[in-house]
Amino acid sequence: NAGVTQTPKFRVLKTGQSMTLLCAQDMNHEYMYWYRQDPGMGLRLIHYSVGEGTTAKGEVPDGYNVSRLKKQNFLLGLESAAPSQTSVYFCASARGESPYNEQFFGPGTRLTVL
Amino acid sequence: AQSVTQLGSHVSVSEGALVLLRCNYSSSVPPYLFWYVQYPNQGLQLLLKYTTGATLVKGINGFEAEFKKSETSFHLTKPSAHMSDAAEYFCAVSPMDSNYQLIWGAGTKLIIKP
Repeated sequence: NAGVTQTPKFRVLKTGQSMTLLCAQDMNHEYMYWYRQDPGMGLRLIHYSVGEGTTAKGEVPDGYNVSRLKKQNFLLGLESAAPSQTSVYFCASARGESPYNEQFFGPGTRLTVL
Repeated sequence: AQSVTQLGSHVSVSEGALVLLRCNYSSSVPPYLFWYVQYPNQGLQLLLKYTTGATLVKGINGFEAEFKKSETSFHLTKPSAHMSDAAEYFCAVSPMDSNYQLIWGAGTKLIIKP
């Protein structure tokens, strides 16, 4: 079991460029999440999905889009990157049918926007 | 809205000393409770959780936490700190009326002095 994997691990973009971050999980989890982590601000939820084909906005969705075409994958897109999107991005997944939402995390993607 | 408060963004203890990281939540109904640990340049991993039953919960690496309903607290402790405990610790709650999201604390960075 690889758990939750994220691609790429590091990326440097120029302002205005686009990119897609890929998250994959092999635990057959229903729920998936994208967070960003910035110094002193903890984890902030960007978007999440409660099942294949569904997505919903989290706390800080502006400037990001997501897709969940397959149950095991959750993609995060930046259409026009801005320096304010420099951050570490974490993907997480959870079983969903459990009454409590224990989340499993990927190793993160460190993104720098110049 | 529910919230999670972690007292102290940084906590410094000497090696061998007691570790105490504080977490309080706001909820009229006791939620499910979690502590996660993030080692430098890694993703988050579950340290321990409280769902039902015994209020003193033991986790990995010698950590434990006690759920106190009357104080709405879930403080994390370890009797004797080790250099390898240096990390950031996050408290999170899963509301019992919704398992879509975790409500996160801002995190506490634990510093171990030799």
